[in-house]
Amino acid sequence: QLQLQESGPGLVKPSETLSLTCTVSGGSIRNNNYYWGWIRQPPGKGLEWIGSIYYSGSTYYNPSLKSRVTMSVDTSKNQFSLKLSSVTAADTAVYYCARRDCGGGACSAYLFDYWGQGTLVTVSS
Amino acid sequence: DIQMTQSPSTLSASVGDRVTITCRASQSISSWLAWFQQKPGKAPKLLIYKASSLESGVPSRFSGSGSGTEFILTISSLQPDDFATYYCQQYNSQATFGQGTKVEIK
Repeated sequence: QLQLQESGPGLVKPSETLSLTCTVSGGSIRNNNYYWGWIRQPPGKGLEWIGSIYYSGSTYYNPSLKSRVTMSVDTSKNQFSLKLSSVTAADTAVYYCARRDCGGGACSAYLFDYWGQGTLVTVSS
Repeated sequence: DIQMTQSPSTLSASVGDRVTITCRASQSISSWLAWFQQKPGKAPKLLIYKASSLESGVPSRFSGSGSGTEFILTISSLQPDDFATYYCQQYNSQATFGQGTKVEIK
């Protein structure tokens, strides 16, 4: 049974870098049928896709965040990570990591069928 | 980028009601449209992909239709477990979500 667990600081100061890690258990991050991604949700608001990554390191970022986002994969730890630089209060949100199972065929890197429980990150001094 | 607009924003309904939620795209997205259900404090759950394909394990009372720019999520007979917020998402050109429709008890 696949499990995704987000981890990282729950409080980040303005102008600093938000760093989160998603640990994958019950499956391999190297599975070539999977894409991995990050989505966020400000409190009481809607969902925003941040970016997607393949185990090879290929990345796809939301154009509105691209200049501040870096995603990476650590296959040795079965983890993938998100860094968001120069954060402001507007970056306060629940951050979800997620997976897309392509089931052996071609599929979109932008639709996720399995999500972690999410972690709240607050940007405040 | 593609904008997604859902209507209504809030819907009041009773158990057993037929419920429809509309999602409109700012440009054609073919059938690259998904629907999610989200309950308070929980992650979104994928219900429907490619406009009308039911995700494994999702009850058959959920159905989706549409193509191009207009899409509909239908719940044929609303159950107590269905009171939640529903989001559409386009994945034709990266990903954008609608603003959500809250289905509440009438």
